[in-house]
Amino acid sequence: EAAVTQSPRNKVAVTGGKVTLSCNQTNNHNNMYWYRQDTGHGLRLIHYSYGAGSTEKGDIPDGYKASRPSQENFSLILELATPSQTSVYFCASGETGGYAEQFFGPGTRLTVL
Amino acid sequence: QQKVQQSPESLSVPEGGMASLNCTSSDRNFQYFWWYRQHSGEGPKALMSIFSDGDKKEGRFTAHLNKASLHVSLHIRDSQPSDSALYFCAARSGGSNAKLTFGKGTKLSVKS
Repeated sequence: EAAVTQSPRNKVAVTGGKVTLSCNQTNNHNNMYWYRQDTGHGLRLIHYSYGAGSTEKGDIPDGYKASRPSQENFSLILELATPSQTSVYFCASGETGGYAEQFFGPGTRLTVL
Repeated sequence: QQKVQQSPESLSVPEGGMASLNCTSSDRNFQYFWWYRQHSGEGPKALMSIFSDGDKKEGRFTAHLNKASLHVSLHIRDSQPSDSALYFCAARSGGSNAKLTFGKGTKLSVKS
């Protein structure tokens, strides 16, 4: 089974502060994704990556940056956190191809005060 | 406009009953459809995929796809309390596109 881990699992940040969420996958998947989940909105794609060194904007990229320094690691960066970014964030990985399943991590609960 | 719409928003069925979840997409480029399940406090996990018109059965779960109407459904027979979860429909277009588009989810409660 594909393994995706996220850290931290819980984070409390202050408005205007910088937050970095980390994701690691051990299955050598090319693609990695960051989503946020909010009640009434489902899962919304923030950024994704096709491989080391690449990042692509998802559907709601404003206020977020992403970094993919290696095949295994994908980070989500909030340079100036705002209360509207309070949410649960999920990282996922998967192979390329329409048939490819995405494997999700356990999530990070972020609260911005 | 939400490209993947799910109904109902929530559903309650008795243990042993049949649960039916629906999903309609508005993008005719979508070719690959998935159902994901998320138990409380966990990340979503793929439950079933369906890529061709017709039915696909896996144990108590049956998915149905009608590409002409862009409609996907998931039927769970003999529902168990452990099936209580949030169910997402997801769709992807063809080619090398890596993006999955998710619906807002259906919350299923199975009452014992």
